[in-house]
Order: sequence, then structure tokens, then C-alpha cells
Amino acid sequence: SAVISQKPSRDICQRGTSLTIQCQVDSQVTMMFWYRQQPGQSLTLIATANQGSEATYESGFVIDKFPISRPNLTFSTLTVSNMSPEDSSIYLCSVEPSGYQETQYFGPGTRLLVL
Amino acid sequence: GQNIDQPTEMTATEGAIVQINCTYQTSGFNGLFWYQQHAGEAPTFLSYNVLDGLEEKGRFSSFLSRSKGYSYLLLKELQMKDSASYLCAVMDSNYQLIWGAGTKLIIKP
Repeated sequence: SAVISQKPSRDICQRGTSLTIQCQVDSQVTMMFWYRQQPGQSLTLIATANQGSEATYESGFVIDKFPISRPNLTFSTLTVSNMSPEDSSIYLCSVEPSGYQETQYFGPGTRLLVL
Repeated sequence: GQNIDQPTEMTATEGAIVQINCTYQTSGFNGLFWYQQHAGEAPTFLSYNVLDGLEEKGRFSSFLSRSKGYSYLLLKELQMKDSASYLCAVMDSNYQLIWGAGTKLIIKP
């Protein structure tokens, strides 16, 4: 397994501003994922972030709105840009530990409220 | 399209047994996962099935039938702390996880 931390754990932001969420893992991992989970809903994959390459975005998500960095094998950031109230959600980082391709482990999430 | 179906909500009694079903239609299959998610917390991994049959892990068991596109999670000796949402997810041929909407399980004394 892997221990994952996220910062901030929660935030309240104004419309039009941007927030960068950090995800730190206690071990080197190849694949990291960013999800969004709106209240009462299941998980929606935003993008897959592999170190040394551009993030791969899912349908409905674009780099200009959700830029992602992956500078090394233990860290990633997701920025929610030009926020609107519709971006209010929980944002979750998950990892697929190297050497075990299937299981994903999740960070505690960042609860974002946009006013 | 790809689809994962599971009941929205279930209620069970403390000490009893409950079975949460999941049916899926995906482009390819590379395994099925069950996750538990307590309110306000991140999902935690419960089980992984890639072959047909039953996998038992303590009070929790997970079953898979690939020919039927069907899985269930069986929880025995229910405890109040088992009140949570249970998410079914299937890994498709591209190794991407397709998530169900989750089943909210309510345990009553």
C-alpha cells in the first residue's frame, strides 16, 4: 500500500480564483490519478499523471482548467483554475504503487467550496 | 457504452448479513474492485477479483462471475462501523477504472 497526504484538506474560495492542491506519497509510484467526487456521486477521473510526461485528461476535462504537474515520483499538483460554484467538490489524489498494477490507493481528499 | 450498476441504498441490521450486488458492461475486463467509503473520507480498498469465484477476507467476501458480468460483496456479522458507501469499480481493457455510483449501506441496531 501507500500513504498519501493532500493539502489543503479543505478550502473556501471565491469565484474566478484558482487553487492548487498538492498530493504527496510516501513511496515512489509510477501512476497518479486525480479524481473529482461531487456530493452523493461516485468518482470521476479528471486525469492520469505520469512522471516525465504530460497528463492525460478524460473527456470533459482540459489542461487549461485543470493544469497538473508531476515533477517526481512522489508528488503531484492539480490546479483548479478560474473557479465557479460548479467546481465545488471533493478532489482526490490516488496512486497505483509501482509493481502492483491494479489497486489504487486514495488520499484523504480536498473539500473545495466555491462561492 | 460502459456501465456499472449497483443499488443506491440498502439497510441492514447489526449482526446480520448483507449482499451488495454489482453488474457491469465494459469494454474488456481486467478485474473488479470493491472500495469502502465512509462519509467525508476517501475510499479504501476492500477487494479485487479477476477470476471467477469467491474471495473471502474476514467478515467480507467478494464474488465474481465474468460470464454474467456480475459481482457481489458479502458482509457478515454487520457492525455499526460498516455503515458506509460501497463502490464497485471495473478495470477495462485500457486499464482504466470505471466506477459505479456506490451503494449507501445503513446499519440499524
